[in-house]
Amino acid sequence: DAGVIQSPRHEVTEMGQEVTLRCKPISGHNSLFWYRQTMMRGLELLIYFNNNVPIDDSGMPEDRFSAKMPNASFSTLKIQPSEPRDSAVYFCASPPTNTGELFFGEGSRLTVL
Amino acid sequence: GENVEQHPSTLSVQEGDSAVIKCTYSDSASNYFPWYKQELGKRPQLIIDIRSNVGEKKDQRIAVTLNKTAKHFSLHITETQPEDSAVYFCAASAVGAQKLVFGQGTRLTINP
Repeated sequence: DAGVIQSPRHEVTEMGQEVTLRCKPISGHNSLFWYRQTMMRGLELLIYFNNNVPIDDSGMPEDRFSAKMPNASFSTLKIQPSEPRDSAVYFCASPPTNTGELFFGEGSRLTVL
Repeated sequence: GENVEQHPSTLSVQEGDSAVIKCTYSDSASNYFPWYKQELGKRPQLIIDIRSNVGEKKDQRIAVTLNKTAKHFSLHITETQPEDSAVYFCAASAVGAQKLVFGQGTRLTINP
């Protein structure tokens, strides 16, 4: 298994541009989590899905952020319009059913100028 | 909701000495407590976890202890080695709730 796959690994964009981050969870994992990591705030849970349905999006910072999971093998996190304070590493993670362990992707490092 | 506090934020120890990182949590319903290690530029990876039905768990040089009454848990690394240098995160969740809340992280440096 290739693990959780995220793209792009790095993105540099200008303020105001739309950013789309992508994630492919491990096959058979029914849940998917999006985390954001910054030096100041650590690892913050943005949103998670169970069986493709958003369960808790209370961590999504504001309306500029949106996430979708159209099927069991794909999710997107979109920021529109992006701002410099969105600069962070965004991790996608999925857990095997009932074990609790999260398998993280390699992350997408976003820089908004 | 759950709140996890982690201390210290940075820790520097001599190679061969022990390191201890402590976390407290707020939600008494939490019953799953994992620890993740994140090397520079890499993803967080699970190194050990403990569930609330046990008080201590060991895996070679690492151990975790849990005090549910006081709502705190700790990571112990013995005989530290240079490859132990990393950022360590504690986390807490209620099994079934799935939502893991992480502490702020501890940057551990092992000095040769």
